Amino acid sequence: DAGVTQSPTHLIKTRGQQVTLRCSPISGHKSVSWYQQVLGQGPQFIFQYYEKEERGRGNFPDRFSARQFPNYSSELNVNALLLGDSALYLCASSLGQTSNYGYTFGSGTRLTVV
Amino acid sequence: KNEVEQSPQNLTAQEGEFITINCSYSVGISALHWLQQHPGGGIVSLFMLSSGKKKHGRLIATINIQEKHSSLHITASHPRDSAVYICAVRSGANSKLTFGKGITLSVRP
Repeated sequence: DAGVTQSPTHLIKTRGQQVTLRCSPISGHKSVSWYQQVLGQGPQFIFQYYEKEERGRGNFPDRFSARQFPNYSSELNVNALLLGDSALYLCASSLGQTSNYGYTFGSGTRLTVV
Repeated sequence: KNEVEQSPQNLTAQEGEFITINCSYSVGISALHWLQQHPGGGIVSLFMLSSGKKKHGRLIATINIQEKHSSLHITASHPRDSAVYICAVRSGANSKLTFGKGITLSVRP
């Protein structure tokens, strides 16, 4: 069974551009969370989606948006990219929403904004 | 002050040594996670704890809810254990994880 898959693995964008990152959860997992990890720091929570609805949002500007599709895959969109958006973007999937369930993480998408 | 603090910040050990990594948190939690991150970024979930102690192979994780503290122990350490070890907590019904900065462990042969 495939793990959590993220695409692309690496991406270089220019300031002001828009980017879309993709995540496919483990089969049967209905919850997807997105995290941003800048170099030398722990990941920071961006969004959580469960059953195609947004269930949590971190302290990120409106330039960040996400959605979850009927097959439970998810996209993270970032508009008007800034240099500070350069980071590793991690997706984690879980069976459910509550703390009873553990997480499985993808390998991440490394975004570089130049 | 960060909600999740880890110590020490960096750790170097000799192969075979017993290693302890600590995590303290300041909020009430419903679960605590220990995660391992290798160069390149992929994160592997090691343990999820809400009380007591768990063991998997050479790894042992403990949590003291009253003291808001958890430890990750590695017995008979090996160079392949070299990685960043991250503690993350989940609070109540809130579904998000709050992460510590992680500790970089290097095990020398």
